[in-house]
Amino acid sequence: AQTVTQSQPEMSVQEAETVTLSCTYDTSESDYYLFWYKQPPSRQMILVIRQEAYKQQNATENRFSVNFQKAAKSFSLKISDSQLGDAAMYFCAYRTPGDMRFGAGTRLTVKP
Amino acid sequence: GAVVSQHPSRVICKSGTSVKIECRSLDFQATTMFWYRQFPKQSLMLMATSNEGSKATYEQGVEKDKFLINHASLTLSTLTVTSAHPEDSSFYICSADKLAGVVQYFGPGTRLTVT
Repeated sequence: AQTVTQSQPEMSVQEAETVTLSCTYDTSESDYYLFWYKQPPSRQMILVIRQEAYKQQNATENRFSVNFQKAAKSFSLKISDSQLGDAAMYFCAYRTPGDMRFGAGTRLTVKP
Repeated sequence: GAVVSQHPSRVICKSGTSVKIECRSLDFQATTMFWYRQFPKQSLMLMATSNEGSKATYEQGVEKDKFLINHASLTLSTLTVTSAHPEDSSFYICSADKLAGVVQYFGPGTRLTVT
């Protein structure tokens, strides 16, 4: 079974600084998708960024970027210029046509 | 846009009764909808996947007769928790795929409390 591992239960960052959240996954598939979702206190899941496994270029969305290392099965999220509104639970997710798995999540605190 | 709604947002029911939760895609047709359960401070656990007009596919360990899923149209899926017990109290979240899409769009969730 595919597993997604987030080894950092909690992370903290100073406002305006940069933080990196880690994610590793286990799969035997060659074609899949990876996502980072944000869940603020409202509990609404919000898509932060996505990465297609067949693409070598790392995805970027404004202040959010990923470091996708396919051979190492690693998919980390970098948040630059952290803002107070970035405080939330962050979930890494893996998807194939027949499967969707989430990591345990990382709680990010942003200090003013 | 890709908006998914859930109704109700909160529900309290008595043990032994059934409760229905609706999940709607408001501005797109959803070929596939998903139901998750989330315990406090934990991750999302996929319960089942449903495709319009066909039976839902349940994850291992999820009781089909207890969690009835109906995906009657391309914009509506329902989850019915039958004969609810206090241990069914949880946060239930649905999500939906656009046609040929890979991104799941999530509803705001429903908090179920069984007394």
